[in-house]
Amino acid sequence: DAKTTQPTSMDCAEGRAANLPCNHSTISGNEYVYWYRQIHSQGPQYIIHGLKNNETNEMASLIITEDRKSSTLILPHATLRDTAVYYCIVRVGLGGATNKLIFGTGTLLAVQP
Amino acid sequence: GAVVSQHPSWVICKSGTSVKIECRSLDFQATTMFWYRQFPKQSLMLMATSNEGSKATYEQGVEKDKFLINHASLTLSTLTVTSAHPEDSSFYICSAPGGVRDVYGYTFGSGTRLTVV
Repeated sequence: DAKTTQPTSMDCAEGRAANLPCNHSTISGNEYVYWYRQIHSQGPQYIIHGLKNNETNEMASLIITEDRKSSTLILPHATLRDTAVYYCIVRVGLGGATNKLIFGTGTLLAVQP
Repeated sequence: GAVVSQHPSWVICKSGTSVKIECRSLDFQATTMFWYRQFPKQSLMLMATSNEGSKATYEQGVEKDKFLINHASLTLSTLTVTSAHPEDSSFYICSAPGGVRDVYGYTFGSGTRLTVV
């Protein structure tokens, strides 16, 4: 699976949009971009995923560049509860037993009051 | 929503003893589960893949005789840390494919904090 690069940490003001970047320059055509987050001392939580089109759900939006070498996770109105480590993961396939998730270092998002 | 239940949430054990951690998929079947370990201020490290009805697959550098994995049914996987030592103290997390509303993601347990004294 392709490697991802994320900033170590970011700050965001409460109520503002949080934009978390991820570089995945070696991504292959059949690899998806997944985002998870981990709040302190809890298991990771799925946020969103995409292949090449932009995606939106009730939690966030995912913007993938046309060349697919980078993406941005957008939390439209960050709250204090969004403070967490956010992981961008690139992997082949649509789930299933053989597609294990390999976590990088992630971005610690600190939402400030 | 789909839930993966992990038990216990925390455990303290004496050095040399064994500890068993359970991971259950509550409302979906999981032929495969994944076990991770996380040290403080570090990312999750995949330890092994648990397969229902067959042997687990361990990642490079993980001692299979120390971390025993049993996937006894379609909803239960267990990780046993044998002869635990203080350096095994960590946060252990399991996950299973499926169970997320779009069936393409993974559902994670809430984790088990192991402290070996």
